[in-house]
Amino acid sequence: AQKITQTQPGMFVQEKEAVTLDCTYDTSDPSYGLFWYKQPSSGEMIFLIYQGSYDQQNATEGRYSLNFQKARKSANLVISASQLGDSAMYFCALRGDTGRRALTFGSGTRLQVQP
Amino acid sequence: EAGVVQSPRYKIIEKKQPVAFWCNPISGHNTLYWYRQNLGQGPELLIRYENEEAVDDSQLPKDRFSAERLKGVDSTLKIQPAELGDSAVYLCASSPRRTGLNTDTQYFGPGTRLTVL
Repeated sequence: AQKITQTQPGMFVQEKEAVTLDCTYDTSDPSYGLFWYKQPSSGEMIFLIYQGSYDQQNATEGRYSLNFQKARKSANLVISASQLGDSAMYFCALRGDTGRRALTFGSGTRLQVQP
Repeated sequence: EAGVVQSPRYKIIEKKQPVAFWCNPISGHNTLYWYRQNLGQGPELLIRYENEEAVDDSQLPKDRFSAERLKGVDSTLKIQPAELGDSAVYLCASSPRRTGLNTDTQYFGPGTRLTVL
């Protein structure tokens, strides 16, 4: 079984500051991928960043970076220089390499960026 | 490149009525997924297609839900009859042919928000 835990229901951050959204996971698959998606109020799930379990370096995509600590089973999302448009729900998701290829999502964190 | 297209965006129906959702995936994407997202939760898979074949429908309530993907492109998800508990956002996603371990990212459409009264 796979499980994603996001322990922060809501987060506030000041504009231009950095923020870390927490994600821990559990899986029995030896190989897996971790994803972060952003869901604004419009409803669409927007892909942000991907980290493979065997990747040696932490993933980065523009202002997004993933702090991957495999031994601790954590994959935290770091957003640098927050912008007002970053206000949204953020979901961490896991997909194992064996069996089902569906994403297992956490319950999400609502981020609000304040001016 | 156009993204995943879904229609309608919103649907309000009375319980026991039928309803259908349509999805057009990104061109060239072989894999298509239907997810359901209940309020305050992350999406959960209902069914996955590889081309026109449903390869994972273990979470689809088959007594009232059905889906099809004719010709391996567009897909339709149907509920008949709808129940109050079916109120949710129905998300369609697609991904390209698998090229490596876990690298086929899923791209989502805007979803259909269903309200059953």
